[in-house]
Amino acid sequence: GAGVSQSPSNKVTEKGKDVELRCDPISGHTALYWYRQSLGQGLEFLIYFQGNSAPDKSGLPSDRFSAERTGGSVSTLTIQRTQQEDSAVYLCASSLYGSYEQYFGPGTRLTVT
Amino acid sequence: AQRVTQPEKLLSVFKGAPVELKCNYSYSGSPELFWYVQYSRQRLQLLLRHISRESIKGFTADLNKGETSFHLKKPFAQEEDSAMYYCALSSGTYKYIFGTGTRLKVLA
Repeated sequence: GAGVSQSPSNKVTEKGKDVELRCDPISGHTALYWYRQSLGQGLEFLIYFQGNSAPDKSGLPSDRFSAERTGGSVSTLTIQRTQQEDSAVYLCASSLYGSYEQYFGPGTRLTVT
Repeated sequence: AQRVTQPEKLLSVFKGAPVELKCNYSYSGSPELFWYVQYSRQRLQLLLRHISRESIKGFTADLNKGETSFHLKKPFAQEEDSAMYYCALSSGTYKYIFGTGTRLKVLA
C-alpha cells in the first residue's frame, strides 16, 4: 500500500504568516510522530500521537507550534507567526502501536523569508 | 540527559574497505538503539535495531553498554552504501532521540 505522505512538499512563506503542514500516515498505524530537521542538526522530536491523543507535547519548540490528529489518521502541524528559525524540513512518521519501526514520509521543506 | 552523538559528519572510504560509523549515547536506563538510513532522494528508513541482532545489507551493530556505544560496521563497503546514516535511541516509550547523522561516501 501507499506509504506516509506529506503535503506540501515545499512551502515558502513570509515571516509572520501561519502555515499548516499535513501528514497522512499508513492506514492502520495508530502511532504518529512529527520531527524537525534543521540544517546540520539531527532529527528533533516534536510530538507524538497515539490515536488522536498527544500524551507529550513538550517537544514543541514554542506555543506558536500546535498539532492535531483527527479520526486517528491525518495530522496537521500548524506554525503560527512563522520566524526564520522555523525554516527546516518537517518529517512525519507512523508506526503500528507497540512497534519500534517508524515509517517516514518524504518531508515538507519549509522556508521562511 | 538523553543524548546521541555521532562524531563524524562525513566519512569517506574506498570501495571494499571496512566501514565503521560511530555512535555514542547517554542514557541512564536500558535503551533501545537503532540505525536509520537515508539514501539519495529516498525516505529515511530503519536499517537495523540492536535487539534483533541481525545483519542487514552486510551491516551489523553491537551495543556496548560499558562504552555506551552502538557503532555500525561493514567489512567491505559498496558504492550503494553511500547515504546518510542516523543513530537513534528510544527509552522504550514513544520518544526517540536521533543523532546528527553521518554522511557515508564510498569512493570507487
